Amino acid sequence: AQKITQTQPGMFVQEKEAVTLDCTYDTSDPSYGLFWYKQPSSGEMIFLIYQGSYDQQNATEGRYSLNFQKARKSANLVISASQLGDSAMYFCAINEQGAQKLVFGQGTRLTINP
Amino acid sequence: DSGVTQTPKHLITATGQRVTLRCSPRSGDLSVYWYQQSLDQGLQFLIQYYNGEERAKGNILERFSAQQFPDLHSELNLSSLELGDSALYFCASSVGVTSGNTIYFGEGSWLTVV
Repeated sequence: AQKITQTQPGMFVQEKEAVTLDCTYDTSDPSYGLFWYKQPSSGEMIFLIYQGSYDQQNATEGRYSLNFQKARKSANLVISASQLGDSAMYFCAINEQGAQKLVFGQGTRLTINP
Repeated sequence: DSGVTQTPKHLITATGQRVTLRCSPRSGDLSVYWYQQSLDQGLQFLIQYYNGEERAKGNILERFSAQQFPDLHSELNLSSLELGDSALYFCASSVGVTSGNTIYFGEGSWLTVV
């Protein structure tokens, strides 16, 4: 089974709109971390936000927030007030306590239209 | 700037050759990871080191090897290169090995095998 599933290969959003990127995960490890990374066309992998499995509150970092629904095993990224510079690939990843590594989804290509 | 430094940024080499990719982790980080990103395989975990010791191994080919030195920098050696080894190779680092540690990526090394 896929550890991380990102069901949206591509999304197109108007500038200034909010956007939600979907991520579901599969794990039996009670301790894990969920991460979102942004990869612009230049290639670097930029850390955006982290959510721990035991965290009670949804993580927020500036315009980024994570809608964490543990029972549904989903960790959707919400970007508020999207900007042209948000156009990039976005990857969801899980780091299980027992696995010692990040496992990535296939990514979602987000395009912000002016 | 994530604080993870990778060299070289771009590399073009011929089939059958050997190359070495170098990585300096963020200051204070003891754990180093290597990932390969290709169009067909996505982001694949290769190997992880913690404070000089190998901690986890992923889909790393026998032609590839890595090590982490006492000063914590790491090198990934790729030998007998094939066309299919062309990819973006990432180094990443974190403070420790728990699932809660944020993993920061370098800008990557673009390898083209011709």
